Amino acid sequence: DVQMTQSPSTLSASVGDRITITCRARQNIGNWLAWYQQRPGKAPKLLIYDASTLQSGVPSRFTGSGSGTDFTLTISSLQPDDFATYYCQQYDSYSFGGGTKVEIK
Amino acid sequence: QVQLQESGPGLVKPSQTLSLTCTVSGASITSGTYYWFWIRQAAGRGLEWLGRIDSGGTADYNRSLKSRVTLSVDTSQNHFSMKLTSVTAADTAVYFCARGITWGWFDPWGQGILVTVSS
Repeated sequence: DVQMTQSPSTLSASVGDRITITCRARQNIGNWLAWYQQRPGKAPKLLIYDASTLQSGVPSRFTGSGSGTDFTLTISSLQPDDFATYYCQQYDSYSFGGGTKVEIK
Repeated sequence: QVQLQESGPGLVKPSQTLSLTCTVSGASITSGTYYWFWIRQAAGRGLEWLGRIDSGGTADYNRSLKSRVTLSVDTSQNHFSMKLTSVTAADTAVYFCARGITWGWFDPWGQGILVTVSS
């Protein structure tokens, strides 16, 4: 199975900040990567698929990039609703990264 | 809009079988080329996919579960189900159902159901 490593595990930021979360795959996965947002007590919500395609209805401040083994999720201007945990997921064996909790500084 | 809803007991005794059902609304479970998934999230252990099934009943499972999991689908009821045998405390988790594609992402998800394994 392809292991996914996310960093950082926790990120402290303020409203309006630009933040970047990184996800690294142990082997080349092309663009087979999705990003999710999970708020406490809720199910994960799909934000981005195929590494960079924004899911319908997701604000344009979310951007995904990367291919091969290194991927990033960027939020251009953090909003109050964005404080949550973010996960990457690769398609081949459906494995998830360990998550990045974005908390208020 | 497709919605999924998990149902089942919130408490299961060790060594027993955990049985959950996911009811799909807003679309037929047979429409499109989708798979229907079970995913769980244990505290401190991240997200783990358990298995997938298509509307024809073809299922695949996460090898880590060592044949303890079985999925089934009932197209007449528009739902699919999961059985996990010989449960232990390590199976305590929030269980989600979700729709996905062959090799891809999951969307949408059910709200999740907390299952606790305890005597």
